[in-house]
Amino acid sequence: ILNVEQSPQSLHVQEGDSTNFTCSFPSSNFYALHWYRWETAKSPEALFVMTLNGDEKKKGRISATLNTKEGYSYLYIKGSQPEDSATYLCAFVTGANNLFFGTGTRLTVIP
Amino acid sequence: NAGVMQNPRHLVRRRGQEARLRCSPMKGHSHVYWYRQLPEEGLKFMVYLQKENIIDESGMPKERFSAEFPKEGPSILRIQQVVRGDSAAYFCASSLTQRANTGELFFGEGSRLTVL
Repeated sequence: ILNVEQSPQSLHVQEGDSTNFTCSFPSSNFYALHWYRWETAKSPEALFVMTLNGDEKKKGRISATLNTKEGYSYLYIKGSQPEDSATYLCAFVTGANNLFFGTGTRLTVIP
Repeated sequence: NAGVMQNPRHLVRRRGQEARLRCSPMKGHSHVYWYRQLPEEGLKFMVYLQKENIIDESGMPKERFSAEFPKEGPSILRIQQVVRGDSAAYFCASSLTQRANTGELFFGEGSRLTVL
């Protein structure tokens, strides 16, 4: 069983603050890393699919970086808004085309 | 283009009964994944299927659980002789591409099974 860890488990920030959280994964046999955003009572939605060491992806105020050699990815949110409140999941992709998810970071943005 | 459709959304069963959960992937998607979310836990991989084939079932309990994805029709996750510990949310996801290093998963809204 692959160990994909996310930290912190939960986070409260004030509206307008920038924040970041971490996904740690095995550094060997890397194929890809996915980030998903999961709002309460909805289904997870993909944010990024990252494949190359040093990759940096951006979507609006959200961006992510990838370090495959040391086995971590950071997700950044600039100027957090209440609508950013959600659980952010990362998933490690194996050579068998399978995805193993971390337990997520639950973000609450306080207006 | 409809998203991933799961039904039923909520299912209540008594111990010993069977539960059948259905997943219709997005149009054109031939890869289906099933995940289980236990209370206060993350998404745990159960099984990965392509049309008519089980590719990886390493996350599925050896007994009572089975999955299929026939040539026609939805993917079905079947749990026989349910026990209280099977109570969970079961999520289905589909992808278009064969390689998950290029294509994201599209998730359904989940089926919540409660075993009395």
